[in-house]
Amino acid sequence: GEDVEQSLFLSVREGDSSVINCTYTDSSSTYLYWYKQEPGAGLQLLTYIFSNMDMKQDQRLTVLLNKKDKHLSLRIADTQTGDSAIYFCAESIKAKLSFGAGTTVTVRA
Amino acid sequence: EAGVTQFPSHSVIEKGQTVTLRCDPISGHDNLYWYRRVMGKEIKFLLHFVKESKQDESGMPNNRFLAERTGGTYSTLKVQPAELEDSGVYFCASSQVVRGGQYFGPGTRLLVL
Repeated sequence: GEDVEQSLFLSVREGDSSVINCTYTDSSSTYLYWYKQEPGAGLQLLTYIFSNMDMKQDQRLTVLLNKKDKHLSLRIADTQTGDSAIYFCAESIKAKLSFGAGTTVTVRA
Repeated sequence: EAGVTQFPSHSVIEKGQTVTLRCDPISGHDNLYWYRRVMGKEIKFLLHFVKESKQDESGMPNNRFLAERTGGTYSTLKVQPAELEDSGVYFCASSQVVRGGQYFGPGTRLLVL
C-alpha cells in the first residue's frame, strides 16, 4: 500500500542537528526521497537513496535507511535559519511518488 | 538550464468555470508528472506522461480532469467544470529517467469559489 508517515513539526536551535523521521509501507519501493519546500516555492529535491543502501551523505545532509523497519531519516548537521522549511519524505512506487504529509522545521536562534 | 515552469502561478475561478494549467518540463525530459495537494492533505500523484503517451493516469480523480501533452513537450491540465474541492496546489514534475528523482515546478495555486 501507499502510506508514508512523518511527524508534523520539529523545532531546533540554530547550530544543532535536526533529525526528521519517516516511515513507509511499500517494501517494493526502490528509491526514497527527501524534498524541501520553502514558503511560496515548489519542491526542491534534496537527496535520495537507493533501497539497497543503508546510508548516504551529502555535505550537511545524512540519510539513513532501515529497510527492515521501513524507516528513513534525514539528518541536517549545523542547522541554519535557511533550513527552515517543510521537508517531505517520498517513496517511489513504479514511477509515481507517494509523499508524507511533510515535517515543518523551525530553526530558532 | 531552466527548471520546470508552470503557468499561471495563481488562479481564482468560480465553481463551474474551466481552468487550464500549463507545465513546461526541463528540456530533454521525456517523463512528465502531475501532482496536487489539496488543503490539509498529502501531495497526491495524478498522472505520468512518457513523451506524449499517458503511462499512468491512476491518480486522476474523475473525468472533469483532462491532461494532454501534445508533441511530447509541454503539458496542460484542464479542469472542467471546476468544483470547490479542486482547490489546492497543482505541481508538475519532470525527469529524464523514471528512477533517480523528479524535479518539481513551483506549482499553480488554484482557488475555486
